[in-house]
Amino acid sequence: EVQLVESGGGLVQPGGSLRLSCAASGFTFRSYAMSWVRQAPGKGLEWVSSIRGSSDKTYYADSLQGRFTISRDNSKNTVYLQMTSLRAEDTAVYLCAKDWYDSSGHVVALFDSWGQGTLVTVSS
Amino acid sequence: EIVLTQSPATLSLSPGERATLSCRASQSVGNYLAWYQQKPGQAPRLLIFDASNRATGIPARFSGSGSGTDFTLTISSLEPEDFAIYYCQQRTNWPPVTFGQGTRLEIK
Repeated sequence: EVQLVESGGGLVQPGGSLRLSCAASGFTFRSYAMSWVRQAPGKGLEWVSSIRGSSDKTYYADSLQGRFTISRDNSKNTVYLQMTSLRAEDTAVYLCAKDWYDSSGHVVALFDSWGQGTLVTVSS
Repeated sequence: EIVLTQSPATLSLSPGERATLSCRASQSVGNYLAWYQQKPGQAPRLLIFDASNRATGIPARFSGSGSGTDFTLTISSLEPEDFAIYYCQQRTNWPPVTFGQGTRLEIK
């Protein structure tokens, strides 16, 4: 059974940093692209970032303006999201999502498993 | 960026009724359109991919149709557990991946 467990969220002041983690199990982690999607309180889903299984390509939403970095450690079955220069509008539940299988490890951008999310609150 | 517009924003129906949810894209997405279901406090669940293919374990009462810019998710006979928020998502021209704003399906 696929399991995705996010951690690392919390309350942070504007301008601060936070690193989120998503621990994966139940599948061959290195063979799948992974993504982060966020959901502001009471709002819809917003794609944040994706990373290929081999880590050689990453993708970001333009709205992040270079403040976030996605990475992964295939030896630990974990994907990370380093967030810097946080703003109030970054307040959201951050969800980790497993991508559909692609034999070449490309990002398919079809999310077939999701974690429960970790809440990030940016406030003074 | 491709914008997805879902309608209606809220749909009020009774169990046993048929639900029809719409998703319109600002430009063609081919058939690269997916539907997700999200219940309060839960993670989204993939229902339909590539416009009309049910994901693993999804009941047959869920069906998707459409191509290009107009798509429909149909639930043939609503069960109590189907009342949730539904999102469409495109992946034809990314980044960015984009989602619709959601349709809330509520019990009448």
